[in-house]
Amino acid sequence: EPEVTQTPSHQVTQMGQEVILRCVPISNHLYFYWYRQILGQKVEFLVSFYNNEISEKSEIFDDQFSVERPDGSNFTLKIRSTKLEDSAMYFCASGGTGGSYEQYFGPGTRLTVT
Amino acid sequence: DAKTTQPTSMDCAEGRAANLPCNHSTISGNEYVYWYRQIHSQGPQYIIHGLKNNETNEMASLIITEDRKSSTLILPHATLRDTAVYYCIVRVPQDVHKFYFGSGTKLNVKP
Repeated sequence: EPEVTQTPSHQVTQMGQEVILRCVPISNHLYFYWYRQILGQKVEFLVSFYNNEISEKSEIFDDQFSVERPDGSNFTLKIRSTKLEDSAMYFCASGGTGGSYEQYFGPGTRLTVT
Repeated sequence: DAKTTQPTSMDCAEGRAANLPCNHSTISGNEYVYWYRQIHSQGPQYIIHGLKNNETNEMASLIITEDRKSSTLILPHATLRDTAVYYCIVRVPQDVHKFYFGSGTKLNVKP
C-alpha cells in the first residue's frame, strides 16, 4: 500500500540555522500539506500546496517558512532561521481529488532546536 | 474552527467493540465527518469519513445520526494496537484543505 515517507526522522539543529524537511507524497496525489505538533499539543495545520503553489496557509506559516516541490516526487518544508519554539513534530500529508479530500500522513520528522 | 466534542478518554476490553462518540451539533449539510487516529506521536492515520450515510471499511464503521449532529466510530474487535488518540473532524467547506485537530479521545484498550 502506498504511503507518505519523510526524512530525516529526527533533526537536531542550532537556533538560527536553516533546516529542510523532506517528504515523498503518495505518487498520484495532487495536494500536499504540512502540519506540526508541538509536544503535548494539538496537530496544527501549516500549509497546503497544489499545482506548484501555496493554496492555503495558517498564521503559523510566516516568512520564516517556505515550501517547494523541487521535482516530481519530493515536497520540502524549509525553515529559514530556526527558533527554539520551532521544536516540534512536523508531518507531511498528501491527498488526491474526488471530493472527499482525505489526507494521508507521513510518520513525521522530529525537529529539535537547541 | 469546526466544532466537535469528544470524551477525553475511554477504556475498552480487548476483543470487544469500541464505540467512540462525537458531537458536532453545528454541522452543516455539506460538511463531511472524518475520523483519524494517532498512535503515540506517529503521524495521524486516516480511518474513515462520511457525509450522511453510515460507512464501513476494513478498519471501522461510522454511524451518523439522522440529524447529523453526532456520530459514532465503531472498532468492532478492539486490539491492544488500537490504543491511540482518536480525532473526530468536521471539514468545513471553505477550509477544504485544512483539518482542525482537536484534543480527541484517548482510547485505552486493556487486556
